[in-house]
Amino acid sequence: KQEVTQIPAALSVPEGENLVLNCSFTDSAIYNLQWFRQDPGKGLTSLLLIQSSQREQTSGRLNASLDKSSGRSTLYIAASQPGDSATYLCAAVIQGGSEKLVFGKGTKLTVNP
Amino acid sequence: GAVVSQHPSRVICKSGTSVKIECRSLDFQATTMFWYRQFPKQSLMLMATSNEGSKATYEQGVEKDKFLINHASLTLSTLTVTSAHPEDSSFYICSARDPRDNPGGLQETQYFGPGTRLLVL
Repeated sequence: KQEVTQIPAALSVPEGENLVLNCSFTDSAIYNLQWFRQDPGKGLTSLLLIQSSQREQTSGRLNASLDKSSGRSTLYIAASQPGDSATYLCAAVIQGGSEKLVFGKGTKLTVNP
Repeated sequence: GAVVSQHPSRVICKSGTSVKIECRSLDFQATTMFWYRQFPKQSLMLMATSNEGSKATYEQGVEKDKFLINHASLTLSTLTVTSAHPEDSSFYICSARDPRDNPGGLQETQYFGPGTRLLVL
């Protein structure tokens, strides 16, 4: 059974700092791994999707890496801004065509001005 | 990007009553929608996969007779929590795949609704 763990559960940083969020998964047989952002009272917004054959994806100040062999992914946020404050979720899509997303509990990020 | 809406955004009901939550794809037709539940400080957990015109597929441990799912059209799926109890209080969120994203292949991107906060007294 795939389990996804995110560390830390919460993180508070000053504005402008670079930071890394961690995600680990127990079963390396994933189709892809996705990072989402969840704002209070709003739905999830997809940030980055990394295929199992890829090692990283970049979008603006965000960079996500994937190491299937070690069962880990990281989300790097450069030059953090108060608007980045949200809960960040990673989710693994189980291989085999089931299309199921298995989520971690998330990391709540607070960027202080 | 594709937009998914949910209604209501929050609902409070008495124990024993039924509550219906709607999930709509606003600018695309979704043959598949997903229903998740999130308890405080817990992960989003998939409850069921809803396919238009057919019965929903429920995850292990989710009671299909308690959580009724109807996907009667390509833009609407509903989740009805029957005989709700306080332990059903949770955040319910739906998602949908846009078939235009990856025609003919495994559709990867799920577009999520804003969620519905259910409180059962």
